[in-house]
Amino acid sequence: NAGVTQTPKFRILKIGQSMTLQCTQDMNHNYMYWYRQDPGMGLKLIYYSVGAGITDKGEVPNGYNVSRSTTEDFPLRLELAAPSQTSVYFCASSPTSGRDEAFFGQGTRLTVV
Amino acid sequence: AQKITQTQPGMFVQEKEAVTLDCTYDTSDQSYGLFWYKQPSSGEMIFLIYQGSYDEQNATEGRYSLNFQKARKSANLVISASQLGDSAMYFCAMRGKGLTGGGNKLTFGTGTQLKVEL
Repeated sequence: NAGVTQTPKFRILKIGQSMTLQCTQDMNHNYMYWYRQDPGMGLKLIYYSVGAGITDKGEVPNGYNVSRSTTEDFPLRLELAAPSQTSVYFCASSPTSGRDEAFFGQGTRLTVV
Repeated sequence: AQKITQTQPGMFVQEKEAVTLDCTYDTSDQSYGLFWYKQPSSGEMIFLIYQGSYDEQNATEGRYSLNFQKARKSANLVISASQLGDSAMYFCAMRGKGLTGGGNKLTFGTGTQLKVEL
């Protein structure tokens, strides 16, 4: 059972570089989320999606972009990386109804230097 | 808008004792779900327990129970018979309606670091 898969697990980026964090889920969940977690802090929502072709901003969207062309994939794009984007990034997915708990990927630890 | 508040940055508990982690929330939605997650030092997010806003009974999952007081907008997590392996960060979360009105945003609190001592 793959669940939610994030790649890469670790990355060091130089200031001004760009990169895409990949997220794939195989549970046919409609909802997908991207969070960032700074050291010792909670999870802040960057972007979320309620289905293919639909995305919406969360609390901290600046400096990021997302797309949702398929149900399975929800990549997060960082343009012009800044040291303030050093964080652990989590992707999550959840079903639409019922006990709709979110399933999380293992996280991507990103350092911008 | 929705908000989750966890006012205990850190808690200590003796092994085998019970501990309550506080969570209050704010939402204008009539229908919502409340969740607790555990994050050990290894970093993964582990789902613990769920409470629906219309559930009449408090949720229980093994040693975890959720003390849901709807009128007070609180959803405290109770861990009974604490074990050393319970030492971790605990997050309360809520799903309500997103700003677009068509989706559900999952919002987290700032977390409580729990340490279980011998």
